[in-house]
Amino acid sequence: QKEVEQDPGPLSVPEGAIVSLNCTYSNSAFQYFMWYRQYSRKGPELLMYTYSSGNKEDGRFTAQVDKSSKYISLFIRDSQPSDSATYLCAMSDYGGSQGNLIFGKGTKLSVKP
Amino acid sequence: GAGVSQSPSNKVTEKGKDVELRCDPISGHTALYWYRQSLGQGLEFLIYFQGNSAPDKSGLPSDRFSAERTGGSVSTLTIQRTQQEDSAVYLCASSMGQFSGNTIYFGEGSWLTVV
Repeated sequence: QKEVEQDPGPLSVPEGAIVSLNCTYSNSAFQYFMWYRQYSRKGPELLMYTYSSGNKEDGRFTAQVDKSSKYISLFIRDSQPSDSATYLCAMSDYGGSQGNLIFGKGTKLSVKP
Repeated sequence: GAGVSQSPSNKVTEKGKDVELRCDPISGHTALYWYRQSLGQGLEFLIYFQGNSAPDKSGLPSDRFSAERTGGSVSTLTIQRTQQEDSAVYLCASSMGQFSGNTIYFGEGSWLTVV
């Protein structure tokens, strides 16, 4: 079992839809959870950052962490065509090899006008 | 510049040749990371530099890969005797001080194709 599992999609939704993106993980030591957005031929950019369990909201984006289920989610409300990108989850335990991030494979999202 | 700068942006090389990829981090950032992103494989950690500490090389896939960081700033990732499976995007990132998830900034990557 890989440390982080993420459905690669592709996921296609109409403009205005609510999008749900998810990752599961196996390492219970992970404490820091992040979502990155990556446009085509660009580097990833940080969208959301959450420590431990709970919810965090930023505009149209909500990140949820359920450590008991080892499951994290990113919700996008009122999705826009400009949200079309690949979304990568990432996590870290701060231990082991000096804090490198473990990434999911990314979910490719397409929002149709 | 304001962001992480990587060069070359695209590189096509013949199998067996050596390549060097350069990363210029954000000024003042003491931590520097290299990741590899292959099609359908997500981001794979390669190496991490933090200040003057010994680098964490645990992600380097083979001894053909090496990296150095001179003067605590610019970093070069070297791949010797390139193989076709080395074709990927090589991403550099930097952050201020000790790793903190909300301050890692990525460059746009060096797209390497080995033919």
